[in-house]
Amino acid sequence: EVQLVESGGGLVQPGGSLRLSCAVSGFVFSDYWMSWVRQAPGKGLEWVANIEQEGSDKYYVGSVKGRFTISRDNAKNLLYLQMNSLRAEDTALYYCGRVRFSGSPLDSWGQGTLVTVSS
Amino acid sequence: QSALTQPASVSGSPGQSITISCTGTSSDVGGYNYVSWYQQHPGKAPKLMIYEVTNRPSGVSNRFSGSKSGNTASLTISGLQAEDEADYYCSSYTSSSTVLFGGGTKLTVL
Repeated sequence: EVQLVESGGGLVQPGGSLRLSCAVSGFVFSDYWMSWVRQAPGKGLEWVANIEQEGSDKYYVGSVKGRFTISRDNAKNLLYLQMNSLRAEDTALYYCGRVRFSGSPLDSWGQGTLVTVSS
Repeated sequence: QSALTQPASVSGSPGQSITISCTGTSSDVGGYNYVSWYQQHPGKAPKLMIYEVTNRPSGVSNRFSGSKSGNTASLTISGLQAEDEADYYCSSYTSSSTVLFGGGTKLTVL
């Protein structure tokens, strides 16, 4: 069974940093692209970032470029999202998702981890 | 890039059909057959319902279908059931190798 479990969320002050993790199981992690998608409270979905199988190709939504870094450890079946210079508008539930290739949809999702940016 | 445009809400009675539109540009919806649709129930993670415009993942009811014309994609749900009441989001691959979501549509089954 495919499983994705996010962790690392919490309350952080504006300007602070947080690293999210996504532990995966039930499939060959290194065969897939992976994504982060977020959802602000009561709002819609927003794609955040993609990373290809080996971790060399990465793409970001404009609002997080230069502040967030997506990475992965294929040996540990872990996906990461390093978030720096956090802003109030980054407050959201962050989901990780499995992607077959760039352009394909997220066919499996985790349950999300909540990030709250507030003083 | 702006979000893809979806109606905020649609409604229908059990047994009826509804269609949700998703309008983008030639740099996203119109330029690629990489349009997907997701269903999200309250407090739950999104679920993939349609991918590559018209394809249904295994296990998704054939009451759900997708199409595209120009820069607008559509999701049709036939034979509406109470369990279909949820939020629906479209998404598209873009010419920048990024992904855009629509603003979401709340489906109410009357």
